[in-house]
Amino acid sequence: QSALTQPASVSGSPGQSITISCTGTSSDVGFYYYVSWYQQHPGKAPKLLIYDVINRPSGISDRFSGSKSGNTASLTISGLQAEDEADYYCSSYTTTSTRVFGGGTKLTVL
Amino acid sequence: QVQLVESGGGVVQPGRSLRLSCAASGFIFSNYAMHWVRQAPGKGLEWVALISYDEVNKYYADSVKGRFTISRDNSNNTLFLQMSSLRREDTAVYYCARQNSLNGFDIWGQGTLVTVSS
Repeated sequence: QSALTQPASVSGSPGQSITISCTGTSSDVGFYYYVSWYQQHPGKAPKLLIYDVINRPSGISDRFSGSKSGNTASLTISGLQAEDEADYYCSSYTTTSTRVFGGGTKLTVL
Repeated sequence: QVQLVESGGGVVQPGRSLRLSCAASGFIFSNYAMHWVRQAPGKGLEWVALISYDEVNKYYADSVKGRFTISRDNSNNTLFLQMSSLRREDTAVYYCARQNSLNGFDIWGQGTLVTVSS
């Protein structure tokens, strides 16, 4: 149950787009289309942004989008806004029916 | 409204036990699988355990297997995590979360802090 690999930090200017990668293995990210993404502001509970690789829950801005290729999933945030500054985590279902999170990525809006 | 509220956290000595609760409201609790996820201070999220809607299936992270037990009371809309043989590395905020799709946690509680210290 090794954690999925995410970059420790990414940054972008307001209005720009950024992409956060999430690399797993053929036993998790690569095997299923069950990858989800979460946003967490300091001191707050995580918030679901994307589930099943590409789906957004109701109320989530279409500035957030997900994709997957092989063992790597990605979260793209377009039209960066100051309030997007937060920590982002990916998660995957695994072949043993457990779940695994990525190490997290800190997004800085310059 | 749809809500999860955790309780039961606190300071506990290494080797001792603690039971966390998560009270659900605003939705049909017995229809959903539920999870516990934890976050050590300044660290990332770590998945801990899962229980199916009917309590038939339970899964655990290797780090807690054999020490933690997840359970639920569907008649009282409550999720539990019984933690035994606690270690310092179990110190974390523990969140309960509702599963929507096979891997989407769409509702989270506010978390309860467990500190394992002598």
